[in-house]
Amino acid sequence: QVHLVQSGAEVKMPGASVKVSCKASGYTFTNYIIHWVRQAPGQGLEWMGWINTGNGNTKYSQKFQGRVTITRDTSASTVYMEVSSLRSEDTAIYYCARVAAAGIVGWFDPWGQGSLVTVSS
Amino acid sequence: DIVMTQSPDSLAVSLGERATINCKSSQSVLYSSNNKNYLAWYQQKPGQPPKLLIYWASTRESGVPDRFSGSGSGTDFALTISSLQAEDVAVYYCQQYYSTLIYTFGQGTKLEIK
Repeated sequence: QVHLVQSGAEVKMPGASVKVSCKASGYTFTNYIIHWVRQAPGQGLEWMGWINTGNGNTKYSQKFQGRVTITRDTSASTVYMEVSSLRSEDTAIYYCARVAAAGIVGWFDPWGQGSLVTVSS
Repeated sequence: DIVMTQSPDSLAVSLGERATINCKSSQSVLYSSNNKNYLAWYQQKPGQPPKLLIYWASTRESGVPDRFSGSGSGTDFALTISSLQAEDVAVYYCQQYYSTLIYTFGQGTKLEIK
């Protein structure tokens, strides 16, 4: 069965960085693109970017370009999403999600359980 | 970027009644080469990640009750729940995956029991 398991909750100071992990299991890791989506408290879903786990290519939402970095470790079947220069508005649940079908295009299924990042002084 | 706009923002429907949520894209998400609409619907309950309901605008995901259906083409889409059940209370999101580089979600529609 396909699973995405994310790292735990984090509390960070403004200006710091946070790195969230997403460990995949149950399928061939390098065959499926993984996306990151965040959700601020009480708000909707915001797409952040994706990584092609096969070749490492990435694409980011313009909003996060330059402040978000998505990487992967194929030996660990894990994708990482790092946000730098954190501010209070980055307080959110961060989700990883896999494209349902092998290839580039597609809907997201499954999703990770989410990782809460709180930015507070 | 393709902007997805849902309506209404919130909806209250009586148990057993029909609920319809609309989603409009700022440009067509119909890919002419395969005649498929690159649109998905998700359901999110409190404290849970989103759950896939519908893809290709109208294909129901395995295990999703048949009271859920998707319709529409081009720029205008709808998610319909034919007979609302208590467990359907959630926030629903549409998403386009037409733009292979940039994915976008609608703002969400909160569905409640009247």
